[in-house]
Amino acid sequence: NAGVTQTPKFQVLKTGQSMTLQCAQDMNHNSMYWYRQDPGMGLRLIYYSASEGTTDKGEVPNGYNVSRLNKREFSLRLESAAPSQTSVYFCASSEDWDNYGYTFGSGTRLTVV
Amino acid sequence: GESVGLHLPTLSVQEGDNSIINCAYSNSASDYFIWYKQESGKGPQFIIDIRSNMDKRQGQRVTVLLNKTVKHLSLQIAATQPGDSAVYFCAPRSRPLSSGSARQLTFGSGTQLTVLP
Repeated sequence: NAGVTQTPKFQVLKTGQSMTLQCAQDMNHNSMYWYRQDPGMGLRLIYYSASEGTTDKGEVPNGYNVSRLNKREFSLRLESAAPSQTSVYFCASSEDWDNYGYTFGSGTRLTVV
Repeated sequence: GESVGLHLPTLSVQEGDNSIINCAYSNSASDYFIWYKQESGKGPQFIIDIRSNMDKRQGQRVTVLLNKTVKHLSLQIAATQPGDSAVYFCAPRSRPLSSGSARQLTFGSGTQLTVLP
């Protein structure tokens, strides 16, 4: 039972480069989320998808785009990476948008130089 | 918006002792709260939740207490074990970010619990 799988685990980008963070869940959950975690801070919501076919902005969406490819997969794209986007990114899923017992992936550590 | 703080950023306890992790929240409209545990190098893991119509909820070795009057909750861990070493987050459910959007969790900065042998 894999749960939530994120790839890659580590990535270094140069300023201005683009990349996509991948996330897949195998629990048949309807809702999926992308968070970022900066040192000494809690998690901040970037985007979420309450159900397949829908996406909504979270607290810090600027500089990011998302795609809910199907029920299982929810990707996060950085079109032009900036040093301020250096962070650890977590994907999470839950049964539904009003179920807050999230299952998190193990994270992607991204460094933008 | 919601701000979530913790009384202590770090807490060290002896193995076998009880741990108490505190959390203050600002939004009196918060009606649901979750505690998450995050071990080093891993994603957060759900521990326990409590709704605002309760003032206490117990799980396996954990108890959460909610005081709505002073907007404070605490997580108590009984007989703390080395495996309890982690960062603990409280996360109140916040107002919707925009009209019609789903309510989201607001995570505090966390308390690092270290269990001493």
